[in-house]
Amino acid sequence: EDQVTQSPEALRLQEGESSSLNCSYTVSGLRGLFWYRQDPGKGPEFLFTLYSAGEEKEKERLKATLTKKESFLHITAPKPEDSATYLCAVQSNQAGTALIFGKGTTLSVSS
Amino acid sequence: KAGVTQTPRYLIKTRGQQVTLSCSPISGHRSVSWYQQTPGQGLQFLFEYFSETQRNKGNFPGRFSGRQFSNSRSEMNVSTLELGDSALYLCASSLDGVEGSPLHFGNGTRLTVT
Repeated sequence: EDQVTQSPEALRLQEGESSSLNCSYTVSGLRGLFWYRQDPGKGPEFLFTLYSAGEEKEKERLKATLTKKESFLHITAPKPEDSATYLCAVQSNQAGTALIFGKGTTLSVSS
Repeated sequence: KAGVTQTPRYLIKTRGQQVTLSCSPISGHRSVSWYQQTPGQGLQFLFEYFSETQRNKGNFPGRFSGRQFSNSRSEMNVSTLELGDSALYLCASSLDGVEGSPLHFGNGTRLTVT
C-alpha cells in the first residue's frame, strides 16, 4: 500500500534559522512527488514536482530534493510569511492519477 | 488567469440531508479531482473526472458521487449525510490529468453536519 509520512509534525523556527522538512514514501512505482503549501482557510498551493531520484527544484527560499525513499524541503533563512503547513504527496502506478498525501508539517517562523 | 473556484464556501446541513458542491476548474483544464480534508485523516482522494467520465475513484462509500459537465465544471454530491462527513472538500484541476501533472486546488467548501 502506498504510504507517505512527514516529519516533524510541527516546527518552530526563528527568522533566518534554516531547516529541513522530511517526506518519506513507500509506493509501487513513483510517478511524481509533489510539495504543496497550505495557509489556514485556504486550499493547498502547488510548489514543486519531482520525478526521479537526484532531482532538485528551487523557488525563492525553498529547495526540494528527492531520493528513492524520501524528499526534503529545505527552507533557507525563513521569514514569518513562510509560516504555513507544508504537504507532501505522491502519485504512484497503483493509485493512478490520485495524490496520496502525508499529514503535513506545520511551520511557524517568528521574528 | 482565474484559479479554481468552489461554491459555496460554507455549508451547514443536518444528518440525513444531501448536499451538492460545485467546482469551476482553471480555464482549459479538463481534469477535475475531489478531496476530503479532515484533521484526523488529512487529505483523502474521492474521485477524478476527465472529459465527463469518472476516471479514478477513492475508497469512499457510494453516498459520495460526482459528475463533470461538457465545460469541465464539476459537482459532487453527498447523500444521507453523517456527522463524520463534516470536512473541508477540495476541488483540484489539472490540464489533462496525466500522471505527474500538478493539481491546482480551490479554497474548498467547509461542510458542517449537525
